[in-house]
Amino acid sequence: EDQVTQSPEALRLQEGESSSLNCSYTVSGLRGLFWYRQDPGKGPEFLFTLYSAGEEKEKERLKATLTKKESFLHITAPKPEDSATYLCAVLGSEKLVFGKGTKLTVNP
Amino acid sequence: DTEVTQTPKHLVMGMTNKKSLKCEQHMGHRAMYWYKQKAKKPPELMFVYSYEKLSINESVPSRFSPECPNSSLLNLHLHALQPEDSALYLCASSQFPTSGILYYSEQYFGPGTRLTVT
Repeated sequence: EDQVTQSPEALRLQEGESSSLNCSYTVSGLRGLFWYRQDPGKGPEFLFTLYSAGEEKEKERLKATLTKKESFLHITAPKPEDSATYLCAVLGSEKLVFGKGTKLTVNP
Repeated sequence: DTEVTQTPKHLVMGMTNKKSLKCEQHMGHRAMYWYKQKAKKPPELMFVYSYEKLSINESVPSRFSPECPNSSLLNLHLHALQPEDSALYLCASSQFPTSGILYYSEQYFGPGTRLTVT
C-alpha cells in the first residue's frame, strides 16, 4: 500500500528564517509527486510536480526537490503570507495519496 | 483561465433533504474529481470522471450520487445524509493523458463547498 508521511506536523518560523518541509513516501512505481498549498477553508493550490529523482522545481521562495525516498520543500526567507498547510501527494500504480500536511506559520 | 468554481460556498441541510453541489471548469480538462475533506485531514478521493464517464468510485455510500453532464460540469447529488458527512467538499480537474493509463496530472482545485448536515 502506498504511504506518504509529512514532517513536521507543524512548523513556526520567524520571517526570513529559511527551513525545509519533508515528505517521505513508499510507493510502487512512482509516477509523480505533487506539492500543494492549502489556506484555511479553501481548496489546495497546485505548486509543483516532480517525476524523477534528482528533479528540482522553483517558484518564488519555494524550491521542491526529489530523491528516491523523499521530497523536500525548501522555503527561503519566508514571509507571513507563506503561512498555510503544505500538502504532499504521490501517485503510484493506483490513486493519488495525500500526506497529512505540514502547517506552516510565519511570524512577522 | 485556471479556475475551478464551486457552488454553493456553504450549505446547511437536514438529514431528509435533497441538495446538489455544482462544479465548473473551462480549462478543457477531461478528468474531474470529487474529494471530501474533514477538518485537519488531507482530502479523500470520492469519485473520478474521465471523459465524462465515471472511472473511479472509492466505495462511497449511495447517498452521494455524482453526475457529469458535460466536459465542463460536475455535480454531486446529496440525499439522506448523516451528520458525519459534514465536511468540505472539493472539486478538482486535470488534463487526462492519452496514454491509456489512469493518470493524475496536476490537479486544480476549486474553493470547496462547506457542508453541514443537521
